[in-house]
Amino acid sequence: QQQVKQSPQSLIVQKGGISIINCAYENTAFDYFPWYQQFPGKGPALLIAIRPDVSEKKEGRFTISFNKSAKQFSLHIMDSQPGDSATYFCAAASNTGKLIFGQGTTLQVKP
Amino acid sequence: DTGVSQNPRHKITKRGQNVTFRCDPISEHNRLYWYRQTLGQGPEFLTYFQNEAQLEKSRLLSDRFSAERPKGSFSTLEIQRTEQGDSAMYLCASSPGLVGPWDEQYFGPGTRLTVT
Repeated sequence: QQQVKQSPQSLIVQKGGISIINCAYENTAFDYFPWYQQFPGKGPALLIAIRPDVSEKKEGRFTISFNKSAKQFSLHIMDSQPGDSATYFCAAASNTGKLIFGQGTTLQVKP
Repeated sequence: DTGVSQNPRHKITKRGQNVTFRCDPISEHNRLYWYRQTLGQGPEFLTYFQNEAQLEKSRLLSDRFSAERPKGSFSTLEIQRTEQGDSAMYLCASSPGLVGPWDEQYFGPGTRLTVT
């Protein structure tokens, strides 16, 4: 019940394309859903986050779509750039703040 | 604001030895978290502190693991009698701890442990 399942495991997108990563959770106590970006040798960095009282949040080229009834959420990266090539993790947190991470998606954006 | 720092960045140790890692959170951040990340996986929660109080420990944190946060500032994570399965990246994160779980957690660069 604590798991967060993420797909796909890896993704290759052409420059300018849309990258889409999906996550699903089971624990209805989760009420905070962040996405983290991680480059090799670095710690994860917060990209964008959403709370379950909204269905979509957009920040620049990054959008989270949230479906509370389906217990799913996704990250859309518009106009993907080679600099976006990294590993992306979805996560979920309940009232303690501890993050439960998905397995990660390695994104490669080809020039 | 210099960010979360962790030392050492890399540690190679022999099986059975004890190791200790240090995390310095962002100044005035009340919450401090430890996670472990193995290759190709997402970080896994180990434990967290609210100021100096350790409020939750994962079942992943066996008796060989201990964490402290004296005076609510820096934190240390000690692993006793290391095993090869302990090889991983150990990540520390801090957050202001003012608005509950929705505070952004800022991660350090991690300490990579290799047990030979």
